[in-house]
Amino acid sequence: GAVVSQHPSRVICKSGTSVKIECRSLDFQATTMFWYRQFPKQSLMLMATSNEGSKATYEQGVEKDKFLINHASLTLSTLTVTSAHPEDSSFYICSSGTSFMNTEAFFGQGTRLTVV
Amino acid sequence: DAKTTQPNSMESNEEEPVHLPCNHSTISGTDYIHWYRQLPSQGPEYVIHGLTSNVNNRMASLAIAEDRKSSTLILHRATLRDAAVYYCILRDVGGGSNYKLTFGKGTLLTVNP
Repeated sequence: GAVVSQHPSRVICKSGTSVKIECRSLDFQATTMFWYRQFPKQSLMLMATSNEGSKATYEQGVEKDKFLINHASLTLSTLTVTSAHPEDSSFYICSSGTSFMNTEAFFGQGTRLTVV
Repeated sequence: DAKTTQPNSMESNEEEPVHLPCNHSTISGTDYIHWYRQLPSQGPEYVIHGLTSNVNNRMASLAIAEDRKSSTLILHRATLRDAAVYYCILRDVGGGSNYKLTFGKGTLLTVNP
């Protein structure tokens, strides 16, 4: 099946710095990818939809200037957490999008971000 | 968005079958029923999906009620590796022609040795 690779799997950064998370589709072209955030013992919350060659669409309550999404190619989407704070510590997950309702989505391995 | 309701947790013994229920009483005629599972500290993985008919694959079976208002994910022989949170999701239309997944709380499955 299709593979989505996410990097890094784990990152620790200092408060105030920025962190970039990469999400690559390894064997297919992804015009759309989704970014989720998951706090401990909670479910995945959709943050934004990343569209290749155009601006991302953010869910209500997600700061677009804080969570910068770039989808410059059909195989790479990046999420940059800018000026990170301890409350941004979370598990970030990307997934592929598909253009058919009945096909499965493929998820990255997730990135555990800890801001100290 | 049509929503799903799942028990918060279930417990099973190794080698025994597990039936994970999901209620989706407001499902629309074109909603596909998807199941994903998430092992600890990993991204979700696809399990199975269906529309109206029961479905089988190497991982599980999906039994869909005739009125489609509920479904059951069946793991025929639970193993310790099946311990995970299982999500029942109705595939919804997202931006443009792409379909996003909206996750509920899921069911935490514990498998006892």
